[in-house]
Amino acid sequence: DQQVKQNSPSLSVQEGRISILNCDYTNSMFDYFLWYKKYPAEGPTFLISISSIKDKNEDGRFTVFLNKSAKHLSLHIVPSQPGDSAVYFCAASSTLTGTASKLTFGTGTRLQVTL
Amino acid sequence: EAQVTQNPRYLITVTGKKLTVTCSQNMNHEYMSWYRQDPGLGLRQIYYSMNVEVTDKGDVPEGYKVSRKEKRNFPLILESPSPNQTSLYFCASSLLRVSDEQYFGPGTRLTVT
Repeated sequence: DQQVKQNSPSLSVQEGRISILNCDYTNSMFDYFLWYKKYPAEGPTFLISISSIKDKNEDGRFTVFLNKSAKHLSLHIVPSQPGDSAVYFCAASSTLTGTASKLTFGTGTRLQVTL
Repeated sequence: EAQVTQNPRYLITVTGKKLTVTCSQNMNHEYMSWYRQDPGLGLRQIYYSMNVEVTDKGDVPEGYKVSRKEKRNFPLILESPSPNQTSLYFCASSLLRVSDEQYFGPGTRLTVT
């Protein structure tokens, strides 16, 4: 049972445009969400996170939006750059329950930023 | 340099031959975890450790063991590897908890024939 879903396996965006990566979750106990970026032959690297007490968090070109009622989050990258080409994973955690130490990842979205 | 190291980076082995993948971090992190990445399944958590001598199962612990005898090391042990454990494995650490920024190792690609 996939509790965190990234329904778009891939996305292609032109350089300078906005990239929007989506993530849906089913577990209503999730209250902390993170995005990780992964280049080939490397481990994932942390990008940005958001707590369920917020609906938006911004860090430079990266903004994460959380819609709790829809159980949906999205990552916006503006403007997109060729170096952003990577696989992006969203992840969720339930910090208040007995599974507070577990992290559930989505299946990833491969972003390609074209010139 | 702050980092998580894993060894070996690549390993081909045969069914049933015990193996250990080492993981070490130099950031004095309390939390450590192992994940496996498989096509179409993303990253799945195998085991995690909140601190020394405290470990617990993630979502896919079957066939794996871990130990945390000292803060910096968190080895992953496959007592009797099987072909369905062929995967890309990542070790990660974070300061205190899973919701903190996790630092990942470079990965270990394991093939079990």
